[in-house]
Amino acid sequence: NAGVTQTPKFQVLKTGQSMTLQCAQDMNHEYMSWYRQDPGMGLRLIHYSVGAGITDQGEVPNGYNVSRSTTEDFPLRLLSAAPSQTSVYFCASSYHGIGAADTQYFGPGTRLTVL
Amino acid sequence: TQLLEQSPQFLSIQEGENLTVYCNSSSVFSSLQWYRQEPGEGPVLLVTVVTGGEVKKLKRLTFQFGDARKDSSLHITAAQPGDTGLYLCAANSGTYKYIFGTGTRLKVLA
Repeated sequence: NAGVTQTPKFQVLKTGQSMTLQCAQDMNHEYMSWYRQDPGMGLRLIHYSVGAGITDQGEVPNGYNVSRSTTEDFPLRLLSAAPSQTSVYFCASSYHGIGAADTQYFGPGTRLTVL
Repeated sequence: TQLLEQSPQFLSIQEGENLTVYCNSSSVFSSLQWYRQEPGEGPVLLVTVVTGGEVKKLKRLTFQFGDARKDSSLHITAAQPGDTGLYLCAANSGTYKYIFGTGTRLKVLA
């Protein structure tokens, strides 16, 4: 099993450009989520999904779109990149997304810089 | 807004010393998790605590969940350079949204 994979690993964008961060998991997990990590602020939830076709907003959703057409994939789209979106982005997955036995598995992250 | 505050933010100690890091909140949580993150990688789950007052041990690491399920601590005995990393607590209040603490960055010097 590859676990949770993310591409690209690094990306530099200019203000106003759009792009999609890819996330895939091969563990048949229903729950997938996107976080951003900024210095001194821990991880903040952007969007999450509890199954194919079902998505919802997290703590910091503005400027980002998601969709979940398959169980395996959960792409994150930046519609018009801004310097405030410079961050490290992590995708995570787990079986249910709730409950004490639920374990989130994280991908290796995408480091995004917006100039 | 639910917040998880971790202290200290930074900790630099010598190999063999003991240390404790804290995770505090004013909210009650159904479970709390501790993760360790190394540079360039995603966080990796260490433990989940569920019951108020619960203590779990993982080799030299001891985790405790507060009686009121609002706070937790992580104690490391005889720290080693391999313990170096960012320690994060995370909580779930029974919804699909996890919140994470700001992290404690630990450096263990040989």
